[in-house]
Order: sequence, then C-alpha cells, then structure tokens
Amino acid sequence: AQKVTQAQTEISVVEKEDVTLDCVYETRDTTYYLFWYKQPPSGELVFLIRRNSFDEQNEISGRYSWNFQKSTSSFNFTITASQVVDSAVYFCALSEEGTGRRALTFGSGTRLQVQP
Amino acid sequence: DTAVSQTPKYLVTQMGNDKSIKCEQNLGHDTMYWYKQDSKKFLKIMFSYNNKELIINETVPNRFSPKSPDKAHLNLHINSLELGDSAVYFCASSQRQGARNEQFFGPGTRLTVL
Repeated sequence: AQKVTQAQTEISVVEKEDVTLDCVYETRDTTYYLFWYKQPPSGELVFLIRRNSFDEQNEISGRYSWNFQKSTSSFNFTITASQVVDSAVYFCALSEEGTGRRALTFGSGTRLQVQP
Repeated sequence: DTAVSQTPKYLVTQMGNDKSIKCEQNLGHDTMYWYKQDSKKFLKIMFSYNNKELIINETVPNRFSPKSPDKAHLNLHINSLELGDSAVYFCASSQRQGARNEQFFGPGTRLTVL
C-alpha cells in the first residue's frame, strides 16, 4: 500500500536560514508522481511541484529546490534563505498510476515556522 | 475569478442535522475530489468523480453522499451530523483523472458540529 512519511512534525528557523523538509514514500507501483503542497495560515492548499518516478533530476525554482532520490524513496524540499512568508504547513503527497487509485495520499505535514 | 470555490466557508451546526457543502470549478477540469482534513491536519481522500461518474469512494460512512450534477460541480451532503465530522473539507479538481495531474484545491469549508 502507498504511504508518505514526513517525520518532522515542526521545524523552527530564523529568517535567512536554509531548511530542508523530508519526505519518504512507499509504493509498489513503478509509475507514480510526487507532489508538494503548501498550506499557509490562511488555510488554502497551494500546489508547488510535481515529479514523476522516471525523472530524478533535481529542480530549482527561485529559493525552492527539490531532491528526488529513488534509491532512498525520498523527495526532500529545501528552502534557501527562508523568509517569514514561508511559514506554513508543507505536505508531501503521492499518486500512483498503476493501481488506478489516482487520488493523492498525503503525508502528515511539516509545520515550518520562520522567525524574524 | 476563483478557480475552485466552495460554499460555505464556515458551517456551524448541531449534532443530528443534515448539511450540504457546494463546490464549483471554472477550470474546465474533468475530475473533482473531496478531501477531509482533521484537527491534526491530516488530509484524506473521501470521493472522486470523473465527468460526473464516481471513481473513488473511500471508507466513508453512508451518511456522506456526494453529488455531481455536471462536471463543474461536486456537492457533499452529510446526514445526521456527528461530533467526529468536525473538520475542514476541501474540494479539488484536476484536468483529468490520471495520477500525473496536479490537483487544485478550493479554500476549504470548516465544519463544526456542536
């Protein structure tokens, strides 16, 4: 069965620090997709990135970067030079192509607090 | 224009009542979902519809009944509300039902059952 684990419940950093949010997943499917979503204090869920299981290239978008490693079943998210506006709950999620169950399976989320 | 909208945003009601939450998307997507986020922030799929057809129905009490009058709308009706139904309910949509499609979420409906 599919599973997503975000072991870090809460992280607190000071502004301008770099921070990495960990995500470990389990799946038996060979074709799957990994996602990160951000949930700021206002409550909405904002899509950040999608990665497919065949593409292990790291991705960088501004201060955000993602490291996908199939060998360790991890899809970690790094924020460089964190800002107060980055304070949110971040969710890692998985969807599988082969099982037909194409909804998102979410991790339990990591609450990031960036102090000024 | 809001891509995925939900009404109401807040819903406070008594145990035993019946209530509905409405969801509309103007993205032209084929697939819509309902997720439940509990007090610990855990998000779990409840239902999914593709072109008005039910494709995912997780282990959800029969008191919850989704209805999709057209592919732009997916409503959630809850009968005989219980304290444990208190949560934030999110509607989402994706272009198609494939696993690769990112889902776009509505703002959520916070349901409080007293």
